[in-house]
Amino acid sequence: EAGVAQSPRYKIIEKRQSVAFWCNPISGHATLYWYQQILGQGPKLLIQFQNNGVVDDSQLPKDRFSAERLKGVDSTLKIQPAKLEDSAVYLCASSLQAGTSGRWDTQYFGPGTRLTVL
Amino acid sequence: AQRVTQPEKLLSVFKGAPVELKCNYSYSGSPELFWYVQYSRQRLQLLLRHISRESIKGFTADLNKGETSFHLKKPFAQEEDSAMYYCALTDMNRDDKIIFGKGTRLHILP
Repeated sequence: EAGVAQSPRYKIIEKRQSVAFWCNPISGHATLYWYQQILGQGPKLLIQFQNNGVVDDSQLPKDRFSAERLKGVDSTLKIQPAKLEDSAVYLCASSLQAGTSGRWDTQYFGPGTRLTVL
Repeated sequence: AQRVTQPEKLLSVFKGAPVELKCNYSYSGSPELFWYVQYSRQRLQLLLRHISRESIKGFTADLNKGETSFHLKKPFAQEEDSAMYYCALTDMNRDDKIIFGKGTRLHILP
C-alpha cells in the first residue's frame, strides 16, 4: 500500500513569512497527526484529527499555527508568521481508528518536511 | 506529568555484542509503551509495543512498572541495527497524547 505522502520535502523561508505543508494519509486511515520535531528532540504532537474533527490540539501554538482536514482525507498545516524557533521537521502520520481515540493504533509516518526559518 | 527519558544520546556497540537502550518514564495512569526506529534516510516506524509482547528483528522490551522502565534489548547487535531509536508513551485507557523521548542514536561498530 502507498505510504503517507508529504510535500514539500524542504522549505526555506524568512522569519515573518508564511508557509504551508500538505499531507495525504494512507487510504482508509481515519486518524491523522501532525508532529513537530526540533533537532535533537523527539517528535511533539501538534494536532490530531479523527476524520475531519480535531481530537487534540493542546500543543498547537494557535496564534501562528493552523491546520485543517476539511474532507477527512488530506490535511494542511500552516504557519503564519514563522519564527526562527519554528525551524524543525514537520511529520505527518496516520492510523486506523480503534477504540474511542485510536491513539494506540500503529502510526505510519510520512517522510517529513524540513523547514528552515532564516 | 508524562515524561519519557532516554538517558543516552549516543550508544556505540560492537557487532555481536548485546544492546540495551534505556527508557524510563514518569506517568500516573495506565501506560502503554512503544519503541520507534528511524533508519538512515527512512521514515520513523514502529518497532514494537509492550502490549504485543513480541520480538521484532531480535529486539525485545519488557515493561517494568516497579522501575518505570521499558528498556530495549537485543542479545547480538547487527550492523543494520544502526539507527535512531525513540521510546514513546501513551495511556491505554483514555484519550491522551503520545509522548516521545529525545531518542538514542545506536551505532554498531564493525
